[in-house]
Amino acid sequence: KAGVTQTPRYLIKTRGQQVTLSCSPISGHRSVSWYQQTPGQGLQFLFEYFSETQRNKGNFPGRFSGRQFSNSRSEMNVSTLELGDSALYLCASSSRGGGGEKLFFGSGTQLSVL
Amino acid sequence: DQQVKQNSPSLSVQEGRISILNCDYTNSMFDYFLWYKKYPAEGPTFLISISSIKDKNEDGRFTVFLNKSAKHLSLHIVPSQPGDSAVYFCAASALNNNDMRFGAGTRLTVKP
Repeated sequence: KAGVTQTPRYLIKTRGQQVTLSCSPISGHRSVSWYQQTPGQGLQFLFEYFSETQRNKGNFPGRFSGRQFSNSRSEMNVSTLELGDSALYLCASSSRGGGGEKLFFGSGTQLSVL
Repeated sequence: DQQVKQNSPSLSVQEGRISILNCDYTNSMFDYFLWYKKYPAEGPTFLISISSIKDKNEDGRFTVFLNKSAKHLSLHIVPSQPGDSAVYFCAASALNNNDMRFGAGTRLTVKP
């Protein structure tokens, strides 16, 4: 079974631009979560999608948005990029996204904002 | 708000000795606690978990202890091996909630 796939692996953007990150979950998994990892902050929860619906959202500004498609693939969009958005963005999938269910992570997209 | 805290950013131990990684949480609604391990350039991978109805769970060299009254859990690795060198994240979630909260991570270095 293929793991969670995130594309692209690396991105370099400039302030004010927007970016779209893609995530393909493990086949059969319907829940996709997104996290931002920065040094010293650990993994900060962005949002979680299940069956094309956003079920939960973390404490991030509205510039961060996402969506999920009928095949469970998910995209995350960040508009009007700021220097502080430079981070590793991780996507994780699970079969139903229930409490305590372990997450399977992709390798992440490293975003650098110049 | 940091609901899951790992107050030690790094830990260094000698090969063969015990590694103890600590984690504190503030949300009493958390029912499940998990540990993930992360190598550079890879995503975190699940290591071991424990539910709030237990106080200990063991899997080979890895044991997780939960102290609900203190809102504290710890991961013990015995014996530690150089391949255990990685960043360890503590995570927690509630039964009826779909987001998992992570700590800031502890970088473990096991010296040969």
